[in-house]
Amino acid sequence: SAVISQKPSRDICQRGTSLTIQCQVDSQVTMMFWYRQQPGQSLTLIATANQGSEATYESGFVIDKFPISRPNLTFSTLTVSNMSPEDSSIYLCSVDMVALGDTQYFGPGTRLTVL
Amino acid sequence: ELKVEQNPLFLSMQEGKNYTIYCNYSTTSDRLYWYRQDPGKSLESLFVLLSNGAVKQEGRLMASLDTKARLSTLHITAAVHDLSATYFCAAEYGNKLVFGAGTILRVKS
Repeated sequence: SAVISQKPSRDICQRGTSLTIQCQVDSQVTMMFWYRQQPGQSLTLIATANQGSEATYESGFVIDKFPISRPNLTFSTLTVSNMSPEDSSIYLCSVDMVALGDTQYFGPGTRLTVL
Repeated sequence: ELKVEQNPLFLSMQEGKNYTIYCNYSTTSDRLYWYRQDPGKSLESLFVLLSNGAVKQEGRLMASLDTKARLSTLHITAAVHDLSATYFCAAEYGNKLVFGAGTILRVKS
C-alpha cells in the first residue's frame, strides 16, 4: 500500500495569484499523477509526473497554467498559476502501485477556492 | 479515445435490497477500477479487475468484468446505510485512469 499526504489540505486564494500543492508518498514510486475534481464532478487527469523527465499533460491542460515538479521518487508539486474562479476544484495526486499487484492510490486532496 | 459511461448516476436504495451499477468503456482497457468517495473525502480503492471474467467480492459488494462486452458491474447485496457514498469506475489505458461520472448511492431505511 501507499500513504500519500498533500499540503495544503485547503486554501482560499485571490484571482490572479498562484498556489503550489505538495504531494508526498511514503515509498518510492515511478509514476505520480495529478487529477482535478471540479465541484460535483468526476475526476480528470491533468498530467503524469515521472522523476527525471518533463511532465506529460493531457488535452486541455498546459504547462504554463499547471507547472509540475518531480524532484525525486517520493515527492511532486503542482502549481495552479494565474488563478481564476474556474480553477476552484479539488486537486488530487495519485500513485501507481499496480506493478506491485496493488492499485492506484489517491491522496486526500487539496480543496481550492478562488475568489 | 477511451471514454467511460457509468449508470445510473443516482441510485436511491432501500435497505436490504439488491442493486447493480454499470460501467461501460469504449475501447480496450488494461484494468478496471472501482472507487468509493465519501463526502469531502478522497477516493478509497475497492477493486481492481485485471482480466475477462474477473470477479471480486468484499462484504456486500461484488465487482465483475466482461472485457468482450467492455462492461463492468458493481453489485450491491442487501444494501445497508453505511454503503451511502459516491462510487466511481475508472478504466485504465497506459497507466492513466479515465473515470466515469460517478454514481451517487443513497440507502434509505
